[in-house]
Amino acid sequence: GAVVSQHPSWVICKSGTSVKIECRSLDFQATTMFWYRQFPKQSLMLMATSNEGSKATYEQGVEKDKFLINHASLTLSTLTVTSAHPEDSSFYICSARDPASLGALHFGNGTRLTVT
Amino acid sequence: LAKTTQPISMDSYEGQEVNITCSHNNIATNDYITWYQQFPSQGPRFIIQGYKTKVTNEVASLFIPADRKSSTLSLPRVSLSDTAVYYCLVDAGGTSYGKLTFGQGTILTVHP
Repeated sequence: GAVVSQHPSWVICKSGTSVKIECRSLDFQATTMFWYRQFPKQSLMLMATSNEGSKATYEQGVEKDKFLINHASLTLSTLTVTSAHPEDSSFYICSARDPASLGALHFGNGTRLTVT
Repeated sequence: LAKTTQPISMDSYEGQEVNITCSHNNIATNDYITWYQQFPSQGPRFIIQGYKTKVTNEVASLFIPADRKSSTLSLPRVSLSDTAVYYCLVDAGGTSYGKLTFGQGTILTVHP
């Protein structure tokens, strides 16, 4: 089945630094990828839609200058958390639609970000 | 996007069949119904997808009545490892590459 790989699985960084998270579709091409954020015991919250070759579309309330998204190829999207602060600590999950399975979403395994 | 409503939580015991029902009264003609499973600290995993009637795969069945305003995920003979959060989503899937937003999901707890 379709596989989405996300890296790193966890990262600890100091306040004020930037962190990059990669999301790759391994066996299919994804013109669109989605980035979610999840706090403990809550559902996934959509942050932005990453579009290959064009600007990402951000959900209301998500700072585009803080969460930089780049979708440079059909198999790779990156999320960079800039000038991270402790309140950015969360579980970040990427996903992509698999054209071979009626567009069902396939998810990466998530990245646990801890900002100290 | 069609909103979905699911029970917040359910409890079951090993070996039992579990049915989780999702309401989606505003489902559109082009919408598919998809269920996902999520374990703690992991990304959601695709379980099953359907449009109408019944769909079955190796892990679950999905029952969709004729009016498509609800759907039921059926997990046969659950085990402790089925303890997870289950999300029901509706969207146009392959016919529309729009964004997918998640509801609260159903926390299923399987007891020994």
